[in-house]
Amino acid sequence: GAVVSQHPSRVICKSGTSVKIECRSLDFQATTMFWYRQFPKQSLMLMATSNEGSKATYEQGVEKDKFLINHASLTLSTLTVTSAHPEDSSFYICSATTGAPNSPLHFGNGTRLTVT
Amino acid sequence: GNSVTQMEGPVTLSEEAFLTINCTYTATGYPSLFWYVQYPGEGLQLLLKATKADDKGSNKGFEATYRKETTSFHLEKGSVQVSDSAVYFCALRSNSGYSTLTFGKGTMLLVSP
Repeated sequence: GAVVSQHPSRVICKSGTSVKIECRSLDFQATTMFWYRQFPKQSLMLMATSNEGSKATYEQGVEKDKFLINHASLTLSTLTVTSAHPEDSSFYICSATTGAPNSPLHFGNGTRLTVT
Repeated sequence: GNSVTQMEGPVTLSEEAFLTINCTYTATGYPSLFWYVQYPGEGLQLLLKATKADDKGSNKGFEATYRKETTSFHLEKGSVQVSDSAVYFCALRSNSGYSTLTFGKGTMLLVSP
């Protein structure tokens, strides 16, 4: 079945540094990828939608200059948390789809970011 | 807009007990409905889905029926196991083809031996 690989699974960084998270579709072309954030004991909050070759569309309240999303190819999207602060500590999950009508969403295993 | 409401947890059961996790939704049109499961420290896995009214999704002993008249998609399992302990998310997706999922807040299930 379709697989989405997300890397790294865990990362600890110091406040003020930037962290890049990769999301790869391993056996299909992902026209559209979604990035979510999950706070402890809460649901997934959609942060942004990225279409290959286009600028990402951010949800209201999500700072686009802080959460940089790049979707330069049909198999790779990256989320960069810039100048990370402790409040950015969270679980980030990506999902990918081919973009065809009613095509399924495939999820990565998530990245646990801890900012010290 | 779309929304999903599911019962708050944690739901605590003994092994072999019957499980029900309620889920209701609000949406325009005819969305597809999903249950996802998240084990500790992991991402989401699709558990089951239903794409139209009266469809029943089933997998690993879990099942849920798409009830349009009550806008519900309750998750059930006849006999839970310790290994079923996880967080369960109900979700919907508009059938426009390009939309993402709208998730409920999740329900933690704890099954004791």
